Amino acid sequence: SQQGEEDPQALSIQEGENATMNCSYKTSINNLQWYRQNSGRGLVHLILIRSNEREKHSGRLRVTLDTSKKSSSLLITASRAADTASYFCATDAGSGNTGKLIFGQGTTLQVKP
Amino acid sequence: NAGVTQTPKFQVLKTGQSMTLQCAQDMNHNSMYWYRQDPGMGLRLIYYSASEGTTDKGEVPNGYNVSRLNKREFSLRLESAAPSQTSVYFCASSAESYLPLHFGNGTRLTVT
Repeated sequence: SQQGEEDPQALSIQEGENATMNCSYKTSINNLQWYRQNSGRGLVHLILIRSNEREKHSGRLRVTLDTSKKSSSLLITASRAADTASYFCATDAGSGNTGKLIFGQGTTLQVKP
Repeated sequence: NAGVTQTPKFQVLKTGQSMTLQCAQDMNHNSMYWYRQDPGMGLRLIYYSASEGTTDKGEVPNGYNVSRLNKREFSLRLESAAPSQTSVYFCASSAESYLPLHFGNGTRLTVT
């Protein structure tokens, strides 16, 4: 079963606009991670937010976590064509930092130049 | 620094054939993982190895076996391939089990 559910499944925006992707999960977690996947490639880690953190920034990325709602969002500001990719959230399912990440189905982002 | 290397990149098998997917990492990571990715299903964990000498089942282990050959290498074996195992297989590693994963570029397997 999938721990993370992402919304929307697909998103198309113009270059320069902001992109927001949401992730909901079902059980308690130790941390939540976001990954990017370019077409035909492996996933690349973007950012990790721990369960006791509410917001984290990395460059043009901003991640929020609301453990009461069991949800997270990834905001990409001032998007670029190179941001075109699929984005996945992943949780550790709260099983004592085993590293057994459970991934959502992903959001496919298209940034039009 | 190659990171995580998977071989082969592509493979076509007939139902019932066997094969081993190879994975090696050069980052001295302790933990290694095998995932499969299917359209609309995201990534699902097949097996993982928290450290050299240990392996554990993930979400979808049936039809697969793994070997943690040494700290660098973690192989995935399909003993009798089935069409349901057509997928893209990703190997990943992390320094410790609670740290972010580093992925290889995948093996695209088709079983006919």
